[in-house]
Amino acid sequence: EPEVTQTPSHQVTQMGQEVILRCVPISNHLYFYWYRQILGQKVEFLVSFYNNEISEKSEIFDDQFSVERPDGSNFTLKIRSTKLEDSAMYFCASSLSPGLAHEQYFGPGTRLTVT
Amino acid sequence: SQQGEEDPQALSIQEGENATMNCSYKTSINNLQWYRQNSGRGLVHLILIRSNEREKHSGRLRVTLDTSKKSSSLLITASRAADTASYFCATVGRGSSNTGKLIFGQGTTLQVKP
Repeated sequence: EPEVTQTPSHQVTQMGQEVILRCVPISNHLYFYWYRQILGQKVEFLVSFYNNEISEKSEIFDDQFSVERPDGSNFTLKIRSTKLEDSAMYFCASSLSPGLAHEQYFGPGTRLTVT
Repeated sequence: SQQGEEDPQALSIQEGENATMNCSYKTSINNLQWYRQNSGRGLVHLILIRSNEREKHSGRLRVTLDTSKKSSSLLITASRAADTASYFCATVGRGSSNTGKLIFGQGTTLQVKP
């Protein structure tokens, strides 16, 4: 069964450093998402991406964040200058359509620890 | 906030019993989805119910949706120890029907004792 993959599984970085989290969505999916989950809290939407552009983003997704689909398979989330409060589990997801009929498939997540 | 409360926050039952979890939301939705998360792992989609549907079944899962009360319930019948996990409802609002933005609830932690 096809699945969403994410690398790395765990990333430790120092405050102020740039990080890139990588995702490979399911190959025939057209819509891509990033969510995050701070330890003990609920999952929060960050951004949705379709047709090579952001279709919706949350207040969390400020200028420090960016997304890119550099080729036909990868979908990346870049945090330009990490802060302590960026420590969280980051989930990538993909779907065939934006939501009326199709569920989102989530990757296993990347645990980001900012020290 | 689009999402309201899920209750209970935690539920502990014996294997074989049924587990019911509830979810409320605040705005008009396109659909509502239930996800499962094992500790420290990713989210697994369980079931999707559209705003014009009232009930849906999938194996041991039964989901109901009451749009007049803005609430949904997830029933797991004949629970097993392997059902131990956190369960989240998530909604796609009408304003996000073209983007698919999911708004998650706080979740219910279910423990099924063998």
